[in-house]
Amino acid sequence: DIQMTQSPSSLSASVGDRVTITCRASQGISNFLAWYQQKPGKVPKLLIYAASTLQSGVPSRFSGSGSGTDFTLTISSLQPEDVATYYCQKYNSAPLTFGGGTKVEIK
Amino acid sequence: QVQLVQSGADVKNPGASVKVSCKAFEYTFSNSYLHWVRQAPGQGLEWLGWIGPGSGVTKTAQKFQGRVTMTSDTSISTAYMELSRLTSDDTAVYFCARQMYYYDNDNRGFYGAFDIWGQGTTVTVSS
Repeated sequence: DIQMTQSPSSLSASVGDRVTITCRASQGISNFLAWYQQKPGKVPKLLIYAASTLQSGVPSRFSGSGSGTDFTLTISSLQPEDVATYYCQKYNSAPLTFGGGTKVEIK
Repeated sequence: QVQLVQSGADVKNPGASVKVSCKAFEYTFSNSYLHWVRQAPGQGLEWLGWIGPGSGVTKTAQKFQGRVTMTSDTSISTAYMELSRLTSDDTAVYFCARQMYYYDNDNRGFYGAFDIWGQGTTVTVSS
């Protein structure tokens, strides 16, 4: 099975900072990669699919890039409401594995 | 609006089974794959499997094969996930989620990410 590895596992940044989270697949998955945001006690929310397509209603400060095995989620200007854990997920074939998550906090 | 509504929290003894329901509203239930995901306390997201509600075809993660049964009733737009032989390690929030279908710039269609999630069902396994 393909493994999904996220880094870092946590980060602390200031409001307005540019934040980058990476996700690496153990084998190529083309662009079949999604990013989710999960706030404490809440349901995961889809942010990006097809590696770089923003889901409707998601703020434009979120962006995704990558293809094959290496992917990136970028928050261009971190806001207080972005405090959450972020997960990547492959969906090209079963199992639809999630990365381990990256917890984002405000410094 | 389009939503998935799950059954309420449940407490089970070790060795028992639990059945979680997931009812779909405001979309054609049989047209989208329905997935099950769980999250243990303080942990990440773990994929359990999917069902095609219209066909009844299922795919289960290898870890859960033999313990997870996924079914659906299209007449009431409801999917079910039953997990048997429960242990304390199965204590988690269980989510159902709809898999979206999208088209790329070349108008090719693909099954994609999970765009609609249920509210989650807390299952506690304790004696």
